[in-house]
Amino acid sequence: DIQMTQSPSSMSASVGDTVTITCRASQGVSSWLAWYQQKPGKAPKFLIYATSTLQSGVPSRFSGSGSGTDFTLTISSLQPEDFATYYCQQGSSFPLTFGGGTKVEIK
Amino acid sequence: QVQLQESGPGLVKPSETLSLTCTVSGYSISTDYFWGWIRQPPGKGLEWIASMYHSGSTYYNPSLKSRVTMSVDPSKNQFSLNLSSVTAADTAMYFCARTYCGGGSCNWFDPWGQGTLVTVSS
Repeated sequence: DIQMTQSPSSMSASVGDTVTITCRASQGVSSWLAWYQQKPGKAPKFLIYATSTLQSGVPSRFSGSGSGTDFTLTISSLQPEDFATYYCQQGSSFPLTFGGGTKVEIK
Repeated sequence: QVQLQESGPGLVKPSETLSLTCTVSGYSISTDYFWGWIRQPPGKGLEWIASMYHSGSTYYNPSLKSRVTMSVDPSKNQFSLNLSSVTAADTAMYFCARTYCGGGSCNWFDPWGQGTLVTVSS
Protein backbone atom coordinates (compact mmCIF):
# COMPACT_ATOMS: atom_id res chain seq x y z
CA ASP A 1 0.00 0.00 0.00
CA ILE A 2 1.11 3.57 -0.65
CA GLN A 3 1.25 5.50 2.59
CA MET A 4 0.38 9.20 2.43
CA THR A 5 1.87 11.46 5.10
CA GLN A 6 0.70 15.03 5.55
CA SER A 7 2.40 17.78 7.47
CA PRO A 8 1.69 19.60 9.57
CA SER A 9 -1.22 17.80 11.19
CA SER A 10 -2.60 21.14 12.31
CA MET A 11 -1.75 24.78 11.94
CA SER A 12 -3.01 28.19 12.92
CA ALA A 13 -3.26 31.00 10.42
CA SER A 14 -4.90 34.36 9.95
CA VAL A 15 -7.20 35.62 7.25
CA GLY A 16 -5.03 36.84 4.40
CA ASP A 17 -2.14 34.49 5.14
CA THR A 18 -0.63 32.12 2.61
CA VAL A 19 -0.78 28.53 3.82
CA THR A 20 1.22 25.57 2.53
CA ILE A 21 0.40 21.94 3.32
CA THR A 22 2.71 19.10 2.39
CA CYS A 23 1.83 15.54 1.37
CA ARG A 24 4.45 12.83 0.93
CA ALA A 25 3.85 9.44 -0.66
CA SER A 26 5.78 6.36 0.43
CA GLN A 27 6.42 5.58 -3.23
CA GLY A 28 6.00 7.51 -6.44
CA VAL A 29 2.47 8.28 -7.58
CA SER A 30 3.48 10.29 -10.65
CA SER A 31 1.05 13.20 -10.77
CA TRP A 32 -1.92 11.22 -9.51
CA LEU A 33 -2.60 13.20 -6.37
CA ALA A 34 -5.79 14.94 -5.26
CA TRP A 35 -6.76 17.32 -2.46
CA TYR A 36 -10.03 17.55 -0.55
CA GLN A 37 -11.40 20.05 1.93
CA GLN A 38 -13.63 18.90 4.78
CA LYS A 39 -15.60 20.98 7.22
CA PRO A 40 -17.06 19.57 10.45
CA GLY A 41 -20.05 17.34 9.87
CA LYS A 42 -19.75 17.57 6.09
CA ALA A 43 -18.54 15.34 3.31
CA PRO A 44 -15.16 16.12 1.80
CA LYS A 45 -15.15 18.59 -1.08
CA PHE A 46 -13.02 17.77 -4.11
CA LEU A 47 -10.59 20.62 -4.74
CA ILE A 48 -7.68 19.57 -6.92
CA TYR A 49 -6.78 16.50 -8.99
CA ALA A 50 -3.77 15.39 -10.99
CA THR A 51 -1.61 17.45 -8.63
CA SER A 52 -2.55 20.87 -9.91
CA THR A 53 -5.86 20.90 -11.79
CA LEU A 54 -8.57 22.80 -9.96
CA GLN A 55 -12.00 21.23 -9.95
CA SER A 56 -14.66 23.45 -11.48
CA GLY A 57 -15.80 26.17 -9.13
CA VAL A 58 -12.76 26.02 -6.83
CA PRO A 59 -11.29 29.49 -6.20
CA SER A 60 -7.98 30.27 -7.84
CA ARG A 61 -6.38 31.01 -4.46
CA PHE A 62 -6.00 27.23 -4.17
CA SER A 63 -3.10 25.70 -6.02
CA GLY A 64 -1.25 22.41 -6.04
CA SER A 65 2.20 21.36 -7.11
CA GLY A 66 4.66 18.51 -6.95
CA SER A 67 5.33 15.16 -8.57
CA GLY A 68 6.52 11.70 -7.67
CA THR A 69 6.45 11.57 -3.90
CA ASP A 70 6.27 15.18 -2.72
CA PHE A 71 3.28 17.45 -3.16
CA THR A 72 2.00 20.72 -1.78
CA LEU A 73 -1.33 22.48 -1.47
CA THR A 74 -1.07 26.24 -1.22
CA ILE A 75 -3.88 28.55 -0.20
CA SER A 76 -3.12 32.16 -0.99
CA SER A 77 -4.87 34.92 0.89
CA LEU A 78 -6.69 32.62 3.30
CA GLN A 79 -10.40 33.38 3.60
CA PRO A 80 -12.71 32.69 6.56
CA GLU A 81 -14.41 29.86 4.66
CA ASP A 82 -11.04 28.11 4.14
CA PHE A 83 -10.68 27.10 7.77
CA ALA A 84 -11.15 23.35 7.50
CA THR A 85 -9.29 20.06 7.36
CA TYR A 86 -7.48 19.17 4.14
CA TYR A 87 -6.70 15.67 2.91
CA CYS A 88 -4.50 14.43 0.09
CA GLN A 89 -5.32 11.21 -1.78
CA GLN A 90 -3.28 9.17 -4.21
CA GLY A 91 -5.04 7.90 -7.30
CA SER A 92 -2.12 5.94 -8.67
CA SER A 93 -2.96 2.44 -7.51
CA PHE A 94 -5.30 0.39 -5.37
CA PRO A 95 -5.78 0.49 -2.48
CA LEU A 96 -6.52 4.16 -2.76
CA THR A 97 -5.13 5.95 0.27
CA PHE A 98 -5.57 9.29 1.97
CA GLY A 99 -3.24 11.36 4.07
CA GLY A 100 -4.03 11.83 7.75
CA GLY A 101 -5.31 15.36 7.26
CA THR A 102 -4.18 18.89 8.07
CA LYS A 103 -6.47 21.04 10.17
CA VAL A 104 -6.21 24.74 9.40
CA GLU A 105 -7.44 26.76 12.35
CA ILE A 106 -7.96 30.44 12.98
CA LYS A 107 -5.12 32.14 14.80
CA GLN B 1 -26.75 17.39 -11.05
CA VAL B 2 -25.65 14.09 -9.58
CA GLN B 3 -26.63 13.49 -5.98
CA LEU B 4 -25.91 10.54 -3.71
CA GLN B 5 -27.67 9.58 -0.49
CA GLU B 6 -26.61 6.90 1.94
CA SER B 7 -29.15 4.91 3.94
CA GLY B 8 -29.03 2.10 6.46
CA PRO B 9 -29.15 1.30 10.16
CA GLY B 10 -27.33 3.68 12.45
CA LEU B 11 -26.65 0.99 15.02
CA VAL B 12 -25.25 -2.49 14.38
CA LYS B 13 -24.38 -5.13 16.96
CA PRO B 14 -20.88 -6.57 17.16
CA SER B 15 -20.32 -9.64 14.96
CA GLU B 16 -23.29 -8.73 12.75
CA THR B 17 -23.27 -7.40 9.18
CA LEU B 18 -23.38 -3.71 8.38
CA SER B 19 -25.49 -3.04 5.27
CA LEU B 20 -25.68 0.34 3.57
CA THR B 21 -27.27 1.54 0.36
CA CYS B 22 -26.40 4.54 -1.75
CA THR B 23 -29.20 5.93 -3.92
CA VAL B 24 -28.07 7.96 -6.90
CA SER B 25 -30.15 10.65 -8.56
CA GLY B 26 -29.43 12.75 -11.61
CA TYR B 27 -27.33 10.08 -13.31
CA SER B 28 -27.78 6.46 -14.31
CA ILE B 29 -25.16 4.28 -12.63
CA SER B 30 -25.36 1.94 -15.63
CA THR B 31 -23.89 4.61 -17.90
CA ASP B 32 -20.32 4.90 -16.67
CA TYR B 33 -17.96 5.55 -13.77
CA PHE B 34 -16.79 3.68 -10.75
CA TRP B 35 -18.84 4.06 -7.58
CA GLY B 36 -17.24 3.84 -4.17
CA TRP B 37 -17.42 3.75 -0.41
CA ILE B 38 -15.19 5.65 1.98
CA ARG B 39 -15.40 5.76 5.76
CA GLN B 40 -14.20 8.03 8.53
CA PRO B 41 -14.05 6.99 12.20
CA PRO B 42 -15.04 9.77 14.59
CA GLY B 43 -12.28 12.35 14.78
CA LYS B 44 -10.04 10.46 12.38
CA GLY B 45 -9.07 10.43 8.72
CA LEU B 46 -10.56 8.94 5.58
CA GLU B 47 -10.28 5.29 4.59
CA TRP B 48 -11.21 3.98 1.16
CA ILE B 49 -13.29 0.80 1.37
CA ALA B 50 -14.20 -0.27 -2.15
CA SER B 51 -14.93 0.83 -5.70
CA MET B 52 -17.10 -0.88 -8.27
CA TYR B 53 -17.64 -0.22 -11.95
CA HIS B 54 -21.21 -0.41 -13.16
CA SER B 55 -20.36 -3.58 -15.09
CA GLY B 56 -19.25 -5.30 -11.90
CA SER B 57 -15.47 -4.91 -11.79
CA THR B 58 -14.68 -4.37 -8.14
CA TYR B 59 -11.70 -3.28 -6.08
CA TYR B 60 -11.57 -3.75 -2.33
CA ASN B 61 -9.25 -2.44 0.33
CA PRO B 62 -7.13 -5.48 1.28
CA SER B 63 -7.46 -4.55 4.95
CA LEU B 64 -11.21 -5.17 4.70
CA LYS B 65 -11.44 -7.48 1.71
CA SER B 66 -12.35 -10.62 3.62
CA ARG B 67 -15.37 -8.87 5.15
CA VAL B 68 -16.58 -6.52 2.39
CA THR B 69 -18.99 -7.02 -0.47
CA MET B 70 -20.11 -4.26 -2.80
CA SER B 71 -22.93 -4.64 -5.29
CA VAL B 72 -24.86 -2.57 -7.81
CA ASP B 73 -28.59 -2.60 -8.53
CA PRO B 74 -29.09 -0.69 -11.81
CA SER B 75 -32.85 -1.16 -11.69
CA LYS B 76 -33.00 0.95 -8.53
CA ASN B 77 -30.03 3.14 -9.44
CA GLN B 78 -28.41 2.08 -6.19
CA PHE B 79 -25.24 0.46 -4.99
CA SER B 80 -24.66 -1.24 -1.67
CA LEU B 81 -22.02 -2.13 0.88
CA ASN B 82 -22.01 -5.14 3.19
CA LEU B 83 -19.39 -5.38 5.92
CA SER B 84 -19.52 -8.55 7.96
CA SER B 85 -18.33 -9.43 11.46
CA VAL B 86 -18.24 -5.84 12.58
CA THR B 87 -16.50 -4.63 15.71
CA ALA B 88 -16.33 -1.29 17.48
CA ALA B 89 -13.45 -0.41 15.15
CA ASP B 90 -15.96 -0.26 12.30
CA THR B 91 -17.82 2.62 13.93
CA ALA B 92 -17.55 5.44 11.44
CA MET B 93 -19.24 7.88 9.11
CA TYR B 94 -19.72 6.01 5.85
CA PHE B 95 -19.72 8.00 2.62
CA CYS B 96 -20.67 6.88 -0.86
CA ALA B 97 -19.23 8.69 -3.85
CA ARG B 98 -18.92 8.64 -7.59
CA THR B 99 -15.46 8.60 -9.01
CA TYR B 100 -14.25 11.46 -11.17
CA CYS B 101 -12.01 10.95 -14.17
CA GLY B 102 -9.32 13.50 -14.87
CA GLY B 103 -5.62 13.81 -15.45
CA GLY B 104 -5.27 10.21 -16.50
CA SER B 105 -6.94 8.67 -13.48
CA CYS B 106 -10.50 7.75 -12.60
CA ASN B 107 -9.71 7.32 -8.94
CA TRP B 108 -10.84 10.67 -7.57
CA PHE B 109 -14.12 11.04 -5.68
CA ASP B 110 -16.70 13.60 -6.67
CA PRO B 111 -19.49 14.05 -5.77
CA TRP B 112 -20.00 12.55 -2.31
CA GLY B 113 -23.07 11.69 -0.33
CA GLN B 114 -23.60 13.48 2.96
CA GLY B 115 -22.57 10.39 4.91
CA THR B 116 -24.29 8.17 7.43
CA LEU B 117 -22.99 7.43 10.91
CA VAL B 118 -22.88 3.77 11.84
CA THR B 119 -22.19 2.81 15.42
CA VAL B 120 -21.23 -0.72 16.35
CA SER B 121 -22.40 -1.46 19.86
CA SER B 122 -24.40 -4.02 21.75
